Amino acid sequence: KAGVTQTPRYLIKTRGQQVTLSCSPISGHRSVSWYQQTPGQGLQFLFEYFSETQRNKGNFPGRFSGRQFSNSRSEMNVSTLELGDSALYLCASSRTSGGLDTQYFGPGTRLTVL
Amino acid sequence: GEDVEQSLFLSVREGDSSVINCTYTDSSSTYLYWYKQEPGAGLQLLTYIFSNMDMKQDQRLTVLLNKKDKHLSLRIADTQTGDSAIYFCAESMGNDYKLSFGAGTTVTVRA
Repeated sequence: KAGVTQTPRYLIKTRGQQVTLSCSPISGHRSVSWYQQTPGQGLQFLFEYFSETQRNKGNFPGRFSGRQFSNSRSEMNVSTLELGDSALYLCASSRTSGGLDTQYFGPGTRLTVL
Repeated sequence: GEDVEQSLFLSVREGDSSVINCTYTDSSSTYLYWYKQEPGAGLQLLTYIFSNMDMKQDQRLTVLLNKKDKHLSLRIADTQTGDSAIYFCAESMGNDYKLSFGAGTTVTVRA
């Protein structure tokens, strides 16, 4: 069974631009969560989608948004990029939602904001 | 992950056992996880334990959970150079789906 895939793997943007990251979950998984990993803040939860609905959201500004499609693939968007948005963005999928199912992570997208 | 704490570094000799410790604060945690991250890679799920269990063994990995002290540990037997990585413990609660992570423990295996 193929794992979680994320595209692109690396991205370089400049301040003020916007970016869209993509995540394809493991086949049969309906929940997708997004995390931001930085050296200073560690791993922080962004949001979770299940059946095309956002179920949970972390403490990030409104510039961070996401969506999920009917095939469970998810995208996250960051608008008006800031230098502090440079991070590894990880996506995780699980069969169900609600904290009772194991999350499997993708390799991440490394975003650099110049 | 301000609710989950881990020591930052561990150095171990090849062939010895490694023990990575973690403390958490939320007694309503449902699952507790150990993830491994190698340089430039995502998170690999190593093992997990349900909150009503005390111990779980999976090949070279042993997880111990002390609910009274809110202490979780991961023991790696016969540590190999390929075990060098950052290890994260994480907790999830049944009604709040997000995972809360510790800062990660960097394990270095020396020959």
